Amino acid sequence: EAGVTQFPSHSVIEKGQTVTLRCDPISGHDNLYWYRRVMGKEIKFLLHFVKESKQDESGMPNNRFLAERTGGTYSTLKVQPAELEDSGVYFCASSQIQGRGNTEAFFGQGTRLTVV
Amino acid sequence: AQSVTQLDSQVPVFEEAPVELRCNYSSSVSVYLFWYVQYPNQGLQLLLKYLSGSTLVKGINGFEAEFNKSQTSFHLRKPSVHISDTAEYFCAVSASNTGNQFYFGTGTSLTVIP
Repeated sequence: EAGVTQFPSHSVIEKGQTVTLRCDPISGHDNLYWYRRVMGKEIKFLLHFVKESKQDESGMPNNRFLAERTGGTYSTLKVQPAELEDSGVYFCASSQIQGRGNTEAFFGQGTRLTVV
Repeated sequence: AQSVTQLDSQVPVFEEAPVELRCNYSSSVSVYLFWYVQYPNQGLQLLLKYLSGSTLVKGINGFEAEFNKSQTSFHLRKPSVHISDTAEYFCAVSASNTGNQFYFGTGTSLTVIP
């Protein structure tokens, strides 16, 4: 069974450009999460989809970030325009059951974004 | 809200020596506790988790952790490390009132020295 896959693995873009990150969750997982780790800091929650609906987007830093999950399958996270502080590793995770905190989430390998 | 503290950012240890990676958390509600590991160029992989029951939890690759409610800690231990344990380790908590959202620590980079 394929795990959570993310594309690209690395991306280097200039300040002001647009970048789109993609996440393919494990097949059948309704819950999809985006997290971000800025260098040296903790991994922080960005948002949570249940199927195609945004369940919680309280962690999205600002309106330059747009996440979508059309059809409830893969998800994209677009940053437009990118700023230097957006650099970091973006993780995607998925889980089958929306539990009450006790459900394991499966993570992808992350996309390392560098804005120069 | 929940928060996690991993005091040790880097831990070097010789091969076959024991190791303990510290994790403390803060929460006003009951929590579930997790340790994830990230090997080089790979995603986060679950090592072990505490949901309820026995406070000593055993995970993969010989790791174990003990939940201590009075000290709000969930330290990770291994009696004898191998070169292959070199990785970054993340402690995380979630709570019944925050769905599946995880709160992570800043990570501990474990380097096993031959």
